[in-house]
Amino acid sequence: KAGVTQTPRYLIKTRGQQVTLSCSPISGHRSVSWYQQTPGQGLQFLFEYFSETQRNKGNFPGRFSGRQFSNSRSEMNVSTLELGDSALYLCASSLGYRGSEDTQYFGPGTRLTVL
Amino acid sequence: DAKTTQPTSMDCAEGRAANLPCNHSTISGNEYVYWYRQIHSQGPQYIIHGLKNNETNEMASLIITEDRKSSTLILPHATLRDTAVYYCIVQGGKLIFGQGTELSVKP
Repeated sequence: KAGVTQTPRYLIKTRGQQVTLSCSPISGHRSVSWYQQTPGQGLQFLFEYFSETQRNKGNFPGRFSGRQFSNSRSEMNVSTLELGDSALYLCASSLGYRGSEDTQYFGPGTRLTVL
Repeated sequence: DAKTTQPTSMDCAEGRAANLPCNHSTISGNEYVYWYRQIHSQGPQYIIHGLKNNETNEMASLIITEDRKSSTLILPHATLRDTAVYYCIVQGGKLIFGQGTELSVKP
């Protein structure tokens, strides 16, 4: 089975712009979660989508949004970019079982640099 | 906040077993212990998980204490490629990552 894929792998934007990142989950997985990783804050949960609905949300401003399509592919969008949004954005997919045994598998990440 | 506590860093000699401890004293009865590792700037890699029994797969073994308040990840024969940050996570839906343990495997 192919793993989680993320596009693009690298992105450079300027402050004030917006950006859209894409994630294709493992075949058969219905849940997609997004994480932000920065040197200062570590790995932080952004949100989770399951069956095209946001099921869980982290503590990020409304500039960060996402969506999921009927084929489980997901996109996340960051509007009005700030320098502090420079980070590695990671997507993880899982079968989506409720409860705690639901193994997430991560993609390689998108490295976003905001200038 | 992360529900786990791990040492910041550890060293291990190549070919020896690496034993990475984790404390999770507030774990709930239905929460699993998950281990991931992250090699520099790559996505975290799933290693193993368990509820209360010890688990083993092709990558590692997981030993969970009877009271479930701590666990140990064992890499039986560490190689240089095992140098990474290892995260112990108590799974409750979303993954909450702590700072992890930076394992350095030295020749």
